[in-house]
Amino acid sequence: SAVISQKPSRDICQRGTSLTIQCQVDSQVTMMFWYRQQPGQSLTLIATANQGSEATYESGFVIDKFPISRPNLTFSTLTVSNMSPEDSSIYLCSVEGTGAYNEQFFGPGTRLTVL
Amino acid sequence: GENVEQHPSTLSVQEGDSAVIKCTYSDSASNYFPWYKQELGKRPQLIIDIRSNVGEKKDQRIAVTLNKTAKHFSLHITETQPEDSAVYFCAAGPGGAQKLVFGQGTRLTINP
Repeated sequence: SAVISQKPSRDICQRGTSLTIQCQVDSQVTMMFWYRQQPGQSLTLIATANQGSEATYESGFVIDKFPISRPNLTFSTLTVSNMSPEDSSIYLCSVEGTGAYNEQFFGPGTRLTVL
Repeated sequence: GENVEQHPSTLSVQEGDSAVIKCTYSDSASNYFPWYKQELGKRPQLIIDIRSNVGEKKDQRIAVTLNKTAKHFSLHITETQPEDSAVYFCAAGPGGAQKLVFGQGTRLTINP
């Protein structure tokens, strides 16, 4: 499977600021996904990022709060804007695998704490 | 949209016994059902998956069964070991490079 890295691995931010999270893959992938995992909770899809088009956001998530870039087939960024303590979560990117099932594999995650 | 329910939320079994985690889904269009294992502080890892044209799939000590008519699928772990302790998530999706909807997770504890 692809090697996926995320930066930063963790950060502590002040409310009202923004943080950009990077996701890098060692091979070209068409679809990349951004998930949020709140403390002790399940994974919730924020948006799907397809190279060359606007990201598709899930219900409850908006572009102004979570702008996403997908400049090429190996890289994507998620920005968490105007942060509040409720944004404290782990943010994970995932990518499709190259197998027949297009399995999803996750990056290591970015642990965000907003004070 | 899809809704995935997972039970139980916590499960404690003796080492060597079997563990079963069950999920139900709502969207009959879902076609792909993966299971992920997440250890504390780590990323979710895909451990097994099944497609709707298959009723059961095994990989060593783990197996997944699917009943598409009833819209439920289950994870079975046999001969449990301490390293099986983790949170397990089921998910459902239409298949291909498409979004997944996750269950709420099951915290499995294996008691020595």
